[in-house]
Amino acid sequence: GAVVSQHPSWVICKSGTSVKIECRSLDFQATTMFWYRQFPKQSLMLMATSNEGSKATYEQGVEKDKFLINHASLTLSTLTVTSAHPEDSSFYICSAEKTVSSYNEQFFGPGTRLTVL
Amino acid sequence: LAKTTQPISMDSYEGQEVNITCSHNNIATNDYITWYQQFPSQGPRFIIQGYKTKVTNEVASLFIPADRKSSTLSLPRVSLSDTAVYYCLVLPRDDKIIFGKGTRLHILP
Repeated sequence: GAVVSQHPSWVICKSGTSVKIECRSLDFQATTMFWYRQFPKQSLMLMATSNEGSKATYEQGVEKDKFLINHASLTLSTLTVTSAHPEDSSFYICSAEKTVSSYNEQFFGPGTRLTVL
Repeated sequence: LAKTTQPISMDSYEGQEVNITCSHNNIATNDYITWYQQFPSQGPRFIIQGYKTKVTNEVASLFIPADRKSSTLSLPRVSLSDTAVYYCLVLPRDDKIIFGKGTRLHILP
């Protein structure tokens, strides 16, 4: 199998606080994970590529100091939204890469709904 | 990254066959065509992938003409639970996934 989980599934926080979201590959090891953000009625937007044991690679326009990514093990990547503001309210989705039949396939987590008050 | 164009939305009725066409005129030789499905407040789910001709699995069929400049996702006998957004992606295997706007499919009773 290839199951990816996220925790929490939803979170509400006050403006100015930091929130950590976890992404786990449950039955496989993932050197590479990805983080996406999705606003209502819009498509997923790739934020960054998370690499185990090295720094994340951020897409253009994504603030690396605002969205801290840590990929400390082969089954866990975390996204910390620092000093969250209402405009950071969104659906955050991660995916983990697994080698399947000699190529890499991405498996997506169920998402985390963040609401910043 | 090959640009894709697909309808913004489609309506259909339960029991019908639904075909969603995606245009990708500048598809590259090493690009594969992949379709994902996303229900509200859930992560995307892989549906089907193909390179040329026809691919079929238990969920859908994917038709790709010889020039590969378009592809059609076919969902047989849809039900209300097939209401979702369907994304057509054209990229090499192993590439990070960049999503387009997708097609919002609404199945009516």
